[in-house]
Amino acid sequence: AIRMTQSPSSFSASTGDRVTITCRANQDISTSLAWYQQKPGKAPNLLIYAASTLQSGVPSRFSGSGSGTDFTLTISCLQSEDFATYYCQQYYTYPLMFGQGTKVEIK
Amino acid sequence: QVQLVESGGGVVQPGRSLRLSCEASGFTFSNHAMQWVRQAPGKGLEWVAGVSSDGTNKFYADSVQGRFTISRDNSKNTLYLQIYSLRTEDTAVYHCAREARGTCIDYWGQGTLVTVSS
Repeated sequence: AIRMTQSPSSFSASTGDRVTITCRANQDISTSLAWYQQKPGKAPNLLIYAASTLQSGVPSRFSGSGSGTDFTLTISCLQSEDFATYYCQQYYTYPLMFGQGTKVEIK
Repeated sequence: QVQLVESGGGVVQPGRSLRLSCEASGFTFSNHAMQWVRQAPGKGLEWVAGVSSDGTNKFYADSVQGRFTISRDNSKNTLYLQIYSLRTEDTAVYHCAREARGTCIDYWGQGTLVTVSS
């Protein structure tokens, strides 16, 4: 199975900061990568698919990049509503796999 | 709009069985592969099972292979997850999710909580 490793597991940031989350696959997944945001008690919400395509309705401060095994999610100017947990997920092949999550907390 | 509504969760004793359902609306159900993803309390997301749009192809996580069965009834716009021999580690919120055609999960249900406890 393809393993997905996110880093960091958590960090603190301030409103207005530029933040980057990294996701690494243990084998080539081309650009078959999605990013999700999850808030407590809620279902995940799709942010980015195909590594860099912004889902309709998602603010443009979110962006994704990468291909092969290394990917990043960037939030250009952190807003209060962005404090949440973020997951990457590969859909290149079954079994589908998620990263362990990155919790973004308020500093 | 796309809606996915899960049901069937509850408190169940170890070793018992349970069937979860997910009623879909707002899109052509038979055009989309569907997935089940679970989340144990305080933990991350874990994909457990997927089924192709016509129900022919089914996929399972190693952790549930042989105990979970995914199925769908396209005439009823409903997805199912049959769980056998429940274990305490199966305690989780189970989300039904839609796969965008050939790509990632694009819509999620709110989930149904399964608690396995004696």
